[in-house]
Amino acid sequence: GESVGLHLPTLSVQEGDNSIINCAYSNSASDYFIWYKQESGKGPQFIIDIRSNMDKRQGQRVTVLLNKTVKHLSLQIAATQPGDSAVYFCAEGPREYGNKLVFGAGTILRVKS
Amino acid sequence: EAGVAQSPRYKIIEKRQSVAFWCNPISGHATLYWYQQILGQGPKLLIQFQNNGVVDDSQLPKDRFSAERLKGVDSTLKIQPAKLEDSAVYLCASSSYRDRNYGYTFGSGTRLTVV
Repeated sequence: GESVGLHLPTLSVQEGDNSIINCAYSNSASDYFIWYKQESGKGPQFIIDIRSNMDKRQGQRVTVLLNKTVKHLSLQIAATQPGDSAVYFCAEGPREYGNKLVFGAGTILRVKS
Repeated sequence: EAGVAQSPRYKIIEKRQSVAFWCNPISGHATLYWYQQILGQGPKLLIQFQNNGVVDDSQLPKDRFSAERLKGVDSTLKIQPAKLEDSAVYLCASSSYRDRNYGYTFGSGTRLTVV
């Protein structure tokens, strides 16, 4: 059978725990960053975004942290649920309409019940 | 609001054959993107349209891949002839300047297997 995400890093967490997914981006000129969630057989789904003039942004159960000094982005998921199991991608690009986004390799999140 | 529609969902072809994928973006979205997602990797942009014009096709292998968006709405992506390394999920996305965050909306993709 097919193995999905064979070469992707995997994070396994217990249901109810907090998850932290990390991403290193490459372009210091990027000023817009997005986290996407991709479930098996589906396209990437927008989770949360952040501009380069911010270092933290919170959504519902999710928080994105941006450290421009070391070009690092993280996604924190509070009280992780089984439905959070998916592949998570960060993407970077210029903050303008029609921006071309460059995606990272992704991280598999597995939630254990 | 209907999402981005793509068809077919799956396609298996032999190498050197041709294949076409279809995408219908969200109504009113002027920008349309085709991404290639190889197993275990993030999506990679192949081509970007603004209405019916090409904005960026720098990573499209033009010797075998072609895409069009003749009326600025639907788009087709074609591969001819296909190679084994073209096996991937082909994702279509669209966006509009009216969206709060200019974020993309992706379709579910077409999974292509070349044997």
